[in-house]
Amino acid sequence: NAGVTQTPKFRILKIGQSMTLQCAQDMNHNYMYWYRQDPGMGLKLIYYSVGAGITDKGEVPNGYNVSRSTTEDFPLRLELAAPSQTSVYFCASSYSDRALNGYTFGSGTRLTVV
Amino acid sequence: KNEVEQSPQNLTAQEGEFITINCSYSVGISALHWLQQHPGGGIVSLFMLSSGKKKHGRLIATINIQEKHSSLHITASHPRDSAVYICAVSEYLRGSNYKLTFGKGTLLTVNP
Repeated sequence: NAGVTQTPKFRILKIGQSMTLQCAQDMNHNYMYWYRQDPGMGLKLIYYSVGAGITDKGEVPNGYNVSRSTTEDFPLRLELAAPSQTSVYFCASSYSDRALNGYTFGSGTRLTVV
Repeated sequence: KNEVEQSPQNLTAQEGEFITINCSYSVGISALHWLQQHPGGGIVSLFMLSSGKKKHGRLIATINIQEKHSSLHITASHPRDSAVYICAVSEYLRGSNYKLTFGKGTLLTVNP
């Protein structure tokens, strides 16, 4: 099925470890986003990309990095995991910057840093 | 910075009831989105509104740009409607880029 695929669904990391959250979409969307969702809070934008080779910081980029080498893939890298990065991470994509047809979200990655 | 407030935070209803969830925001926007998040986490776009009203099945979304307010209505509610409903507003980030600011969500529980 077409959509946004996120892997892994769950992960436990130790403090200081690194990992990459994978995100892929097959809808030829130019715009891709990474959000984190903390309990009782609205989703916060970490990074976004408006096309291959172009990325920019969102509201909460510290501790994360991204790359966009292809239209399809938008991985999120955590270099030195900290307990504050315990969260649920969502990748999303949209056809246009105004998302006139809405956003498509991945199923989320639940990350715990211990 | 746009502040997005949703009310109520929690809502419990009996099957068949008419449901209203409200969203207000503080700064002018280009569009407003309603999203649904089921237990287990998946998020689905329900509506995008820039004016007026939209309807899809038993769901109706309205927006009043002057009052900076939107409502999501569910008619003849059903237990499968139980989910978190999230309001998000779209505004300029920089250049021609837009960003979403999300409300904290409304947890709806519909009992049989």
